[in-house]
Amino acid sequence: AQSVTQPDIHITVSEGASLELRCNYSYGATPYLFWYVQSPGQGLQLLLKYFSGDTLVQGIKGFEAEFKRSQSSFNLRKPSVHWSDAAEYFCAVAGRTGGFKTIFGAGTRLFVKA
Amino acid sequence: NAGVTQTPKFRVLKTGQSMTLLCAQDMNHEYMYWYRQDPGMGLRLIHYSVGEGTTAKGEVPDGYNVSRLKKQNFLLGLESAAPSQTSVYFCASSYLNYGGPGELFFGEGSRLTVL
Repeated sequence: AQSVTQPDIHITVSEGASLELRCNYSYGATPYLFWYVQSPGQGLQLLLKYFSGDTLVQGIKGFEAEFKRSQSSFNLRKPSVHWSDAAEYFCAVAGRTGGFKTIFGAGTRLFVKA
Repeated sequence: NAGVTQTPKFRVLKTGQSMTLLCAQDMNHEYMYWYRQDPGMGLRLIHYSVGEGTTAKGEVPDGYNVSRLKKQNFLLGLESAAPSQTSVYFCASSYLNYGGPGELFFGEGSRLTVL
């Protein structure tokens, strides 16, 4: 069965510091991987996606993520965090195996301190 | 440019009442999904559909039913609401991709409270 684990429930970083949010997945074939962001009281917005090819993918707002098959990971990074990045971040996995459904992790809430 | 539209946006029910949430998408997407979001639990898949006339169970299907009679619409029904179904419900759609669904396009959410 497909599943996603985001080990950190919440993370606090200083503005201007670098950020890495962890995501580990379980999936029986080559996965499609996604990161979404949700600001308080808002819907979900796609940050970036991995379907195939280059394992380092670039997204919006200066975010990037790296697919590491050997570690079953898809960690999200940003070199310099802005106060507006404070939000909840969700990693998700999808694919043909398991019926075309998209499964989410529990999320990581990011706090940014001045 | 509507995208994915959910109605209603807010609803309060009493235990045992029934209701239907409607999701409509205008992007001609094959896949449609219903999720519920609860604090600390992320988004959990209730039911989904990979095409008109088809539905499948997700992670937490109990107490819900769905129908997809038209490609653009995906209905989520609660036959007998329970307080445990108090949640924010999100509908999403996605396009057909070779290896699976593409990214999800979400509605704005429907906040349901069951007293």
